[in-house]
Amino acid sequence: SAVISQKPSRDICQRGTSLTIQCQVDSQVTMMFWYRQQPGQSLTLIATANQGSEATYESGFVIDKFPISRPNLTFSTLTVSNMSPEDSSIYLCSVDPGGNQPQHFGDGTRLSIL
Amino acid sequence: AQSVSQHNHHVILSEAASLELGCNYSYGGTVNLFWYVQYPGQHLQLLLKYFSGDPLVKGIKGFEAEFIKSKFSFNLRKPSVQWSDTAEYFCAVNPYTSGTYKYIFGTGTRLKVLA
Repeated sequence: SAVISQKPSRDICQRGTSLTIQCQVDSQVTMMFWYRQQPGQSLTLIATANQGSEATYESGFVIDKFPISRPNLTFSTLTVSNMSPEDSSIYLCSVDPGGNQPQHFGDGTRLSIL
Repeated sequence: AQSVSQHNHHVILSEAASLELGCNYSYGGTVNLFWYVQYPGQHLQLLLKYFSGDPLVKGIKGFEAEFIKSKFSFNLRKPSVQWSDTAEYFCAVNPYTSGTYKYIFGTGTRLKVLA
């Protein structure tokens, strides 16, 4: 199964700043996903990131707030821009390994905004 | 809108007790179904999945789940829980529409097993 490394694992940030989260996979995958898990809530899909195309955002999420890069088949970044306390969440990267296999998840990034 | 409901938010059991966690979804078409587990301090891990075939699926660590299409349910069961099963459990649904890989997650159930 795919091994996913997410960095940083946690961070505390100031209001108004931006943070970029990295997701590295040990194998080539076409589809990568970014989720948000707000305190006490479920995982919500932010966007789907396919290599070579623009990310597809879910309702309620916009590129200006959550720009995503997908430069190759093993790497993606999610930036949380102009952060506010409401952005305090766990952000998770996942991959679709293909071959009718379920998505695999990274450890997540626990983000707190002061 | 498509949604997944997990009715039990917190469950406390003693070791050896039986477990059943409910999961219902709202989508009338074909679905792929999953249960994921998140142990304290660890990442989400797949417990079991249903794509097609036998509606009773067996997963890791003695867990099983039954897909009842008429009830739009995919309940998770384990006949005898252990202290090490303490974790958060998430049900997820992938509405099987061509080109759609989106997973919709339930709100999760926190299970605490008392030794």
